[in-house]
Amino acid sequence: AQSVTQLGSHVSVSEGALVLLRCNYSSSVPPYLFWYVQYPNQGLQLLLKYTSAATLVKGINGFEAEFKKSETSFHLTKPSAHMSDAAEYFCAVSVRTDKLIFGTGTRLQVFP
Amino acid sequence: GAGVSQSPSNKVTEKGKDVELRCDPISGHTALYWYRQSLGQGLEFLIYFQGNSAPDKSGLPSDRFSAERTGGSVSTLTIQRTQQEDSAVYLCASSPAGADTDTQYFGPGTRLTVL
Repeated sequence: AQSVTQLGSHVSVSEGALVLLRCNYSSSVPPYLFWYVQYPNQGLQLLLKYTSAATLVKGINGFEAEFKKSETSFHLTKPSAHMSDAAEYFCAVSVRTDKLIFGTGTRLQVFP
Repeated sequence: GAGVSQSPSNKVTEKGKDVELRCDPISGHTALYWYRQSLGQGLEFLIYFQGNSAPDKSGLPSDRFSAERTGGSVSTLTIQRTQQEDSAVYLCASSPAGADTDTQYFGPGTRLTVL
């Protein structure tokens, strides 16, 4: 069985500061890991995914995440926050084409 | 190209009524998923269709919920005798065959409100 834990339901940063959103997973088989972003009243947009290739994954809008098997983590980072990054972020795990198991989400606020 | 579309975008219904929610996946995508997003439960998987295989219904919360996918394309999620706890945003996603098969593309959702 798979599960995801996102630490911190709310994260606040200043514009230009580092963004770090935490995600830890549990999986009995090699996982596929995803980060999705959701803007208000919109669906989910894929930011990036890890599917057993390179452990450092680069996504859209300057985000990246590193798969660390020893720590069962897949934290999302961005070196410099922008006001437009304010949204809710979801980490998810799956086994290839199976259903996604989502974390509870982290709401990112960016202050000027 | 066109993304996943869902209709209606908003649906308000009275307790006890039946509702149908529609999903049009991206053309050519072989897999289709339904999820539910609610304040209390977060994002939950409901059902998954893959080609001509039997659907994975393991996430349906009760027998009031059912879904079908006609012709391997459009899908309809039906909720019978709606209850207030069914109020949520229902999200549909699809994924292609081939190299990108692990990626699910989401629609904008249908917001269901049961009064």
